Amino acid sequence: AQTVTQSQPEMSVQEAETVTLSCTYDTSESDYYLFWYKQPPSRQMILVIRQEAYKQQNATENRFSVNFQKAAKSFSLKISDSQLGDAAMYFCAYRSRNTPLVFGKGTRLSVIA
Amino acid sequence: GAGVSQSPSNKVTEKGKDVELRCDPISGHTALYWYRQRLGQGLEFLIYFQGNSAPDKSGLPSDRFSAERTGESVSTLTIQRTQQEDSAVYLCASSVDRVTGELFFGEGSRLTVL
Repeated sequence: AQTVTQSQPEMSVQEAETVTLSCTYDTSESDYYLFWYKQPPSRQMILVIRQEAYKQQNATENRFSVNFQKAAKSFSLKISDSQLGDAAMYFCAYRSRNTPLVFGKGTRLSVIA
Repeated sequence: GAGVSQSPSNKVTEKGKDVELRCDPISGHTALYWYRQRLGQGLEFLIYFQGNSAPDKSGLPSDRFSAERTGESVSTLTIQRTQQEDSAVYLCASSVDRVTGELFFGEGSRLTVL
């Protein structure tokens, strides 16, 4: 079964600085999708960024970018110019044709003013 | 509606009672998912519906849990004879299709079993 591992239960970053959240996954499939979701205290899950495994180019969405290392099965999220509103739980997730969306246990990000 | 709607937002029940949680997906979304999130934990997959295909029930933790969906509309998640371990937030999500579509989540139903 596919598993997603987030090894950092908690992280903190100073406002305006950069932080990287780690994620690794285990799969034998070659075609899949990877995601980072943000969950603020409101509980609403919000998609931050997605990456198709067949694409070599790392996805970027404004201040959010990923470092996708397919051979290493690693998918880290970099948040640049961190803002107070970035404070939330961040979940890494995996999805494929044969697997519904599977989540890691999450990383709680605190942003220090 | 504009987004995925779930009700009730909060439910407190006594151990042994049955509960029903409702999810109203985004119109036109063929795929619908239920997840459970215990306090401080990640999301556990429960069940998935795709159009008129047989649902993927592989994540349901016991036979006390069941879910229904009529066509591409509302879904209900039923928990029978609730236990304290069932206390969690139950999140529903829908997407345009099974594989490539982005999942849009509701705000969840928080269930507390006393």
